[in-house]
Amino acid sequence: GENVEQHPSTLSVQEGDSAVIKCTYSDSASNYFPWYKQELGKGPQLIIDIRSNVGEKKDQRIAVTLNKTAKHFSLHITETQPEDSAVYFCAASMGNTPLVFGKGTRLSVIA
Amino acid sequence: KAGVTQTPRYLIKTRGQQVTLSCSPISGHRSVSWYQQTPGQGLQFLFEYFSETQRNKGNFPGRFSGRQFSNSRSEMNVSTLELGDSALYLCASSLSGQVVGGELFFGEGSRLTVL
Repeated sequence: GENVEQHPSTLSVQEGDSAVIKCTYSDSASNYFPWYKQELGKGPQLIIDIRSNVGEKKDQRIAVTLNKTAKHFSLHITETQPEDSAVYFCAASMGNTPLVFGKGTRLSVIA
Repeated sequence: KAGVTQTPRYLIKTRGQQVTLSCSPISGHRSVSWYQQTPGQGLQFLFEYFSETQRNKGNFPGRFSGRQFSNSRSEMNVSTLELGDSALYLCASSLSGQVVGGELFFGEGSRLTVL
């Protein structure tokens, strides 16, 4: 089955700097790659996703890139703000299979 | 529009007991998925129900079971609790199920502690 590895497990950045979180997946048939953000005491929430026919997608300060050849995808957050502090999860799926999540990255933005 | 509601939010059980967790999805959503979240393993898929039918099942022992009712509400049950079952159990609903591009809407979870 699919396996998703996520790095780093923790990340601290200064406010205003950029943050990058990387994930690799094992099954080349995976074609959907969402990112979820989980704030303290809440459930994860979708922040951006990308499909296999697209190499990059942006939404304001957030961007995701996908390299299908290398089987890895990354989340980029620019101009980080304190409210970006949370746990971020990448995930992968192929068609009607359940999302397989990475183990998460705890991002701390230091003011 | 009300979000996904999970009850109870917190509960403490002892080894050997059983527990039932409840999830009310967003109105109109027919799919409910359950995930177990632990610090070391992240989010592990338990099962997905769509229109009262189990559509997918994760790699968990038979002590973990679930069901979905005609109003799309779902319950999961864990029997013969073990210490390792201590976790946050998350329920997620979606309109069309776990298909490509189908956003999952998570509840805040039920935190189970097994003593």
